[in-house]
Amino acid sequence: DQQVKQNSPSLSVQEGRISILNCDYTNSMFDYFLWYKKYPAEGPTFLISISSIKDKNEDGRFTVFLNKSAKHLSLHIVPSQPGDSAVYFCAASGGGGADGLTFGKGTHLIIQP
Amino acid sequence: KAGVTQTPRYLIKTRGQQVTLSCSPISGHRSVSWYQQTPGQGLQFLFEYFSETQRNKGNFPGRFSGRQFSNSRSEMNVSTLELGDSALYLCASSFDSRNTEAFFGQGTRLTVV
Repeated sequence: DQQVKQNSPSLSVQEGRISILNCDYTNSMFDYFLWYKKYPAEGPTFLISISSIKDKNEDGRFTVFLNKSAKHLSLHIVPSQPGDSAVYFCAASGGGGADGLTFGKGTHLIIQP
Repeated sequence: KAGVTQTPRYLIKTRGQQVTLSCSPISGHRSVSWYQQTPGQGLQFLFEYFSETQRNKGNFPGRFSGRQFSNSRSEMNVSTLELGDSALYLCASSFDSRNTEAFFGQGTRLTVV
């Protein structure tokens, strides 16, 4: 049972445009959400997080939106840059069971020049 | 401030052997979590240590174990290695056990032959 889902395995966006990465979750006990960026053979790099008591958090070019009623969150990257090409993982914590992070399968973002 | 350090970076072992991986967290962080990443299963939580105590454990067999020392450094051990244990093993450190900002190391790539 996949509690965190990233339904788009890949996404292609033109440089300078907005990249929107989506994530859905099923466990209503999750209370903290994180986004990570990962290059091959490296560990994930923390990007931005959001608490379930908020609906938006912004950090530079990155903004995360949380819709609790829909159990949906999204990461917006504006403007997209070539260096943003990587796999992006959505993660959630506080699921009531094991307290480690529960990850989605990732979305491979490709920024086209 | 030094990041999370994992050693070794690469490891090749034979089926049936055991292996120990090491993780040094960010200075001041007391929580260390371990994750396994495989192409098929994605990133999966193994266990978490906080102040030398295992707080949580994911759904992995007892062959996977770990410990944390008084300086917060952690080791993970896998006994009786199987081919399916080949994976990237990632360690994450955070200040507290809530994983609100968890920072990952580069990982140890384990290949079992």
